Amino acid sequence: EVQVVESGGGLVQPGGSLRLSCAASGFTSSNFWMDWVRQAPGKGLEWVANINGDGSEKNYVDSVKGRFTISRDNAKHSLYLQMNSLRAEDTAVYYCASERSGLDVWGQGTTVTVSS
Amino acid sequence: EIVLTQSPGTLSLSPGERATLSCRASQSVSRNRLAWYQQKADQAPRLLIYGASSRATGIPDRFSGSGSGTDFTLTISRLEPEDFAVYYCQQYGSAPDTFGQGTKLEIK
Repeated sequence: EVQVVESGGGLVQPGGSLRLSCAASGFTSSNFWMDWVRQAPGKGLEWVANINGDGSEKNYVDSVKGRFTISRDNAKHSLYLQMNSLRAEDTAVYYCASERSGLDVWGQGTTVTVSS
Repeated sequence: EIVLTQSPGTLSLSPGERATLSCRASQSVSRNRLAWYQQKADQAPRLLIYGASSRATGIPDRFSGSGSGTDFTLTISRLEPEDFAVYYCQQYGSAPDTFGQGTKLEIK
């Protein structure tokens, strides 16, 4: 079965850090771009970052540049999002998705809450 | 950054009717890399259409996508009860990728 599963969400204080993980299975994830997309409570989807198959190209939405870092470990079929200097406005469900033709495989999401 | 504007914000229709959702881009979408997603409450989004007009695996043929350049349309030919949800367009042709703000399709 083709799937991705996120983990690592939780409650963190403003200014803190968190690392999200995404495990891919059922397909050769190293052949594809992988993305992070988030959704704040009651809001729409916001694309956050993506990374190409070998990790040499990365893109970010302006609001997270310099604070978030996307990476991958193809030997472990895993994608990561290191989030530093977290703000209240980063509170959201974070989804991992594979970009084979559009974002075709999504995880169930992991919730990040930034609050004191 | 390409800004995607979806219209209408909310669409009220009855089962069996035809739904037409619009997505307009602030500049041309490279290689028509425009996708449509359906999201139901407390669920992850589901890919419906990619490349502006190609249906994703397992998507019923009542869903169709059209358009090119800056104007794109998602059409649902005959609404089924399970089609009432929120729909998003996304462009993935130019970094950063961007989503539209969504169209809520509700039962009239």
